[in-house]
Amino acid sequence: DAKTTQPPSMDCAEGRAANLPCNHSTISGNEYVYWYRQIHSQGPQYIIHGLKNNETNEMASLIITEDRKSSTLILPHATLRDTAVYYCIVPSRRGGTSYGKLTFGQGTILTVHP
Amino acid sequence: DGGITQSPKYLFRKEGQNVTLSCEQNLNHDAMYWYRQDPGQGLRLIYYSQIVNDFQKGDIAEGYSVSREKKESFPLTVTSAQKNPTAFYLCASSHRGAGNTIYFGEGSWLTVV
Repeated sequence: DAKTTQPPSMDCAEGRAANLPCNHSTISGNEYVYWYRQIHSQGPQYIIHGLKNNETNEMASLIITEDRKSSTLILPHATLRDTAVYYCIVPSRRGGTSYGKLTFGQGTILTVHP
Repeated sequence: DGGITQSPKYLFRKEGQNVTLSCEQNLNHDAMYWYRQDPGQGLRLIYYSQIVNDFQKGDIAEGYSVSREKKESFPLTVTSAQKNPTAFYLCASSHRGAGNTIYFGEGSWLTVV
């Protein structure tokens, strides 16, 4: 997997936007960036993914820099239930086809406070 | 509801016993995976299967076995050869091919006493 670097922790006030950065400077041209989050004792939840263009869904927005070496996950209006560990992942590829190995690092612990 | 179902959620076993964790998906996904997570750590891949009747070892396959007789099912057996089996086990699935999202079940806690 392309190595990713995330800050270990971040705080955010409820109702404000949470901006979570990720560096992936060794990403290849055909590799996607995925974001997941995990609440304690639950399975990781898929949030969003992208290749080159910015993406938005009902949960979040993903901003990818033009050189693709970094990205930012944006939760536009954070709630207390968004408190979780957020993982930025660039999955392994083998022979041009992803075989699904997701390398979860330490992620960013996001704490949303009232 | 469509999704990935793992059972049981919590399991206690005596040391030396084999135990099988169930994983069923109704998402029509070809690929399925098993991960292990230790407290405060990231996920590590145990086994994965891209198609029925075929599976591959991941990074930490020793002491584990799997089968893939049906598309919907990918059970994991934790054998007595696994030295530290107490962990949180996560099953996942996806369509095959590049860029396909992997979805996870809710996990199974295995405690060996």
